[in-house]
Amino acid sequence: DIVLTQSPALAVSLGQRATISCKTNQNVDYYGNSYMHWYQQKPGQQPKLLIYLASNLASGIPARFSGRGSGTDFTLTIDPVEADDTATYYCQQSRNLPFMNTFGAGTKLELK
Amino acid sequence: EVQLVETGGGLVQPGNSLKLSCATSGFTFSTAWMNWIRQTPGKRLEWLAQIEDKSNNYFISYLESVKGRFTISRDDSKSSVYLQMNNLKEEDTAIYYCTPLNNSGDYFDYWGQGVMVTVSS
Repeated sequence: DIVLTQSPALAVSLGQRATISCKTNQNVDYYGNSYMHWYQQKPGQQPKLLIYLASNLASGIPARFSGRGSGTDFTLTIDPVEADDTATYYCQQSRNLPFMNTFGAGTKLELK
Repeated sequence: EVQLVETGGGLVQPGNSLKLSCATSGFTFSTAWMNWIRQTPGKRLEWLAQIEDKSNNYFISYLESVKGRFTISRDDSKSSVYLQMNNLKEEDTAIYYCTPLNNSGDYFDYWGQGVMVTVSS
């Protein structure tokens, strides 16, 4: 089974860069695409898509958010971090279908 | 504007049943592959079930641990998807979300607000 590993938490200062990682134990690349996606979830809200296919910004998402990576190592970067960015960030793979073990456990972003 | 509204949650005793509904609008429901995903009290997101569209014979997939207890269905005339949950267990306590699959990359770009299901005696 595919396993997605995220660090539980990250603390950064306002205006600084936040880098959130997601590592998989299997390659999620396929025919030139990396099937890795990122979501933001604020308390009491549903998840919101930020990044799809590793590096594509979802509609309406500010350019402060970016994604990169391939194979088994992926990162979500927020630069600069704003107060409104405090949330939990989840990665999701879709290389292995159906969607068993599709989500990481989430990284909670906090401000220092 | 895409809207997904989940209803039907509540408090239920272990062993009992519950049926969730998800009413949708703002996209072509008949060609959408619909999914149910839940979020546990520990905040873990867990995919549960998917039902494909008519052109794919409404093919259904389930998470192994809910197979035989949960049943996903859809009514294209009502733009709605359902989740029948039987023999509920305390570990089924979660917020349940419905979401259409974006087939271009197999990700979930729209989510409902979710509905809470609590299984407790």
